[in-house]
Amino acid sequence: DAGVIQSPRHEVTEMGQEVTLRCKPISGHNSLFWYRQTMMRGLELLIYFNNNVPIDDSGMPEDRFSAKMPNASFSTLKIQPSEPRDSAVYFCASRVDRGNTGELFFGEGSRLTVL
Amino acid sequence: KQEVTQIPAALSVPEGENLVLNCSFTDSAIYNLQWFRQDPGKGLTSLLLIQSSQREQTSGRLNASLDKSSGRSTLYIAASQPGDSATYLCAVVTQGGSEKLVFGKGTKLTVNP
Repeated sequence: DAGVIQSPRHEVTEMGQEVTLRCKPISGHNSLFWYRQTMMRGLELLIYFNNNVPIDDSGMPEDRFSAKMPNASFSTLKIQPSEPRDSAVYFCASRVDRGNTGELFFGEGSRLTVL
Repeated sequence: KQEVTQIPAALSVPEGENLVLNCSFTDSAIYNLQWFRQDPGKGLTSLLLIQSSQREQTSGRLNASLDKSSGRSTLYIAASQPGDSATYLCAVVTQGGSEKLVFGKGTKLTVNP
């Protein structure tokens, strides 16, 4: 299996621009997570989908952030408008949740720099 | 609210040494605990998953133990190698809420040749 695939790997943009990050989970996985990692705060959960439905979005910082999962094989995280404090590495992760909570697998991340 | 702590934040050892990394969590009602490794500039790689009903898991030179009642887990690395240098993170899934992982801040391990 190809693993969790994220794009772009690196994004440099200017403040105020729209940013869209993309994720393809592992085939057959029914839960998908978006995390953000910074030196100061470590790994923070932004949003969690199960069977394409958002279950917990309490970590989404504010209305500038939105996430969608239109089908089982694709998710997006959008920031509009972007701000310098959004600079971080954004990770997507997926797992199988059927009965037991499964092992979580991460993508390589999208490194975002907002100037 | 579940909190996960990893001490020490950084550890440096000579090659060949056996070592233990620690993870503690405040709410013992967990579904499972997972250990990850992160290399610089990379994503997280899953090392071991321990379900709440298990006490330990082993993979090669790695052994993870879980003591739910005391809210602790340890990751034992035998015969450490320079290639083991990375940041090691533990994460728990807590019962009674959304099934999300809560992460510790990690222990940065350096194994010196």
